[in-house]
Amino acid sequence: DADVTQTPRNRITKTGKRIMLECSQTKGHDRMYWYRQDPGLGLQLIYYSFDVKDINKGEISDGYSVSRQAQAKFSLSLESAIPNQTALYFCATSGGSYNEQFFGPGTRLTVL
Amino acid sequence: TQLLEQSPQFLSIQEGENLTVYCNSSSVFSSLQWYRQEPGEGPVLLVTVVTGGEVKKLKRLTFQFGDARKDSSLHITAAQPGDTGLYLCAGAPPGTGGFKTIFGAGTRLFVKA
Repeated sequence: DADVTQTPRNRITKTGKRIMLECSQTKGHDRMYWYRQDPGLGLQLIYYSFDVKDINKGEISDGYSVSRQAQAKFSLSLESAIPNQTALYFCATSGGSYNEQFFGPGTRLTVL
Repeated sequence: TQLLEQSPQFLSIQEGENLTVYCNSSSVFSSLQWYRQEPGEGPVLLVTVVTGGEVKKLKRLTFQFGDARKDSSLHITAAQPGDTGLYLCAGAPPGTGGFKTIFGAGTRLFVKA
């Protein structure tokens, strides 16, 4: 079984809809991250969490919110989706000394 | 402006050729990581380099961390089609406590059989 899972894997939605992307991990890591990937821009950090009570904004948090329901679960919400939020979204965990990241398989989100 | 600049952006080569891709910054990093991402999947960690001047080998892949810890390179010997993918360098920017990682835009490599 995969250490980091994401649901759904693909989602098509319309402008203005609320969307939740979910992430679960079995690695036992405290640190969890949400990234967005666009062609030519690499991975951009949306939010990160060091534990259930510690949530931090990344570089591109506007239009997004997160919830850390448990050590193993970290969800990302788009309250009112817009077309420029069309992208690949990745969840990652980290537990190493050098913050090595372990990624889920990603969610491809399309906002029409 | 990317804090980690990767070059080239794209590289298409024949099977058996050698190649080097680069990751450069004007900032000093305590460590840098290299990841490979295949289509439809998340990035997978290849290596972490920590010490200035360090060289690490992973089969046909050789990773080097610059003496000043501002740059790194990845050299692939005798590339194979299975090496095709997006290669990303990453690290924790100075002053962030080490737990916030940034990524370069990546080098997209295509190895033709």
